[in-house]
Amino acid sequence: QVQLVESGGGVVQPGGSLRLSCAASGFIFSTYGMHWVRQAPGKGLEWVTFIRYDGSSKYYADSVRGRFTISRDNSKNTLYLQMNSLRAEDTAVYYCANGEGGDYVAFDIWGQGTMVTVSS
Amino acid sequence: DIQMTQSPSSLSASVGDRVTITCRASQGISNYLAWFQQKPGKAPKSLIYAASSLQSGVPSKFSGSRSGTDFTLTISSLQPEDFATYYCQQYNSYPLTFGGGTKVEIK
Repeated sequence: QVQLVESGGGVVQPGGSLRLSCAASGFIFSTYGMHWVRQAPGKGLEWVTFIRYDGSSKYYADSVRGRFTISRDNSKNTLYLQMNSLRAEDTAVYYCANGEGGDYVAFDIWGQGTMVTVSS
Repeated sequence: DIQMTQSPSSLSASVGDRVTITCRASQGISNYLAWFQQKPGKAPKSLIYAASSLQSGVPSKFSGSRSGTDFTLTISSLQPEDFATYYCQQYNSYPLTFGGGTKVEIK
């Protein structure tokens, strides 16, 4: 079945780094744009970043630009989020989500999320 | 950035009630509007895209509409499984932005 499974979350100290992964299955990964969305504890949803199906275009929220990097490996059906210079305010559940086709398409499937806690 | 103003932030309703949630965009977004449902401790689920199109497998009790920059999600007859938080989102331009959410609770 169509599925996205995130991994790589954990506890990290402020200023530290973490890399999240999102493994895709059940659909043609290389034809889908991919997003990361996060949700701080008890808060709403915040879009973080997007990568086009072929990796040729990327967008970032101002809150993470210059610190986070999105990438993908279509041969492994996997999406990544490299998070550097982490801050307490980056503490959240991180979800990946897909959207078929171009840059301006609706989300389709969401993963179950992975928790990132930034704390000393 | 496009601001999405969702109202109400919470509501109490009974099983069988008709429920309406509104989302207003700070500028024109055409029909690039989606609705999501999120239950406690779970990932969001996509309900509606392009303002009024149901995602595959979503029951027809959910419907969406647009009037200019105002968008509405309607649940025709609330059922126990519909108690959740609902979010709107614009995907007309980056950064993508979400409304603040509407928590639908049992009266």
